Amino acid sequence: EAGVVQSPRYKIIEKKQPVAFWCNPISGHNTLYWYRQNLGQGPELLIRYENEEAVDDSQLPKDRFSAERLKGVDSTLKIQPAELGDSAVYLCASRRRAGTVTYEQYFGPGTRLTVT
Amino acid sequence: GQSLEQPSEVTAVEGAIVQINCTYQTSGFYGLSWYQQHDGGAPTFLSYNALDGLEETGRFSSFLSRSDSYGYLLLQELQMKDSASYFCAEPTGGGNKLTFGTGTQLKVEL
Repeated sequence: EAGVVQSPRYKIIEKKQPVAFWCNPISGHNTLYWYRQNLGQGPELLIRYENEEAVDDSQLPKDRFSAERLKGVDSTLKIQPAELGDSAVYLCASRRRAGTVTYEQYFGPGTRLTVT
Repeated sequence: GQSLEQPSEVTAVEGAIVQINCTYQTSGFYGLSWYQQHDGGAPTFLSYNALDGLEETGRFSSFLSRSDSYGYLLLQELQMKDSASYFCAEPTGGGNKLTFGTGTQLKVEL
């Protein structure tokens, strides 16, 4: 089974520019997560999707961040405009279904964003 | 709120045994997961403890004590490839998401 796919792997942009990250979860996984991981820290949840519905976006900075998961499969996370403090690794993860306690999630390799 | 504390760095020699601790302060505790992350790589799931006691998976074992709000990951017969960051994490938000610890960078030396 193919793992979680993310692209691009690396992105360097100037501040105030827009940027988008793409994630394709494992086939059949209904739940999708976007995390941000700052250097030397653990991943922090930005948004959780159950199928196409964003059910937890309380940690998403909505003034500049947006996300979508059309058709409940692929997802895109966007930042507009980017700020210097947005430099981090953006991780996507998925799991098979809701309704059970999540302790095992499958992560993609992440997109390393550098804002200059 | 939830917080999980880990030592920032641990160093050990190849072939040795190392223990990485995790303390937590939370209500509605479900259990404790452990993830491994190599530099530039994806976090990968290692183990989960829902109940007190020791869970063994090959060279890795994980332990939980709910009464002490404490768990650890035990790595035996250390190999160079075990050099990575290790994160404890707990299900939160009604069990629907994971909150990660601060992470421990393990360095294995010859």
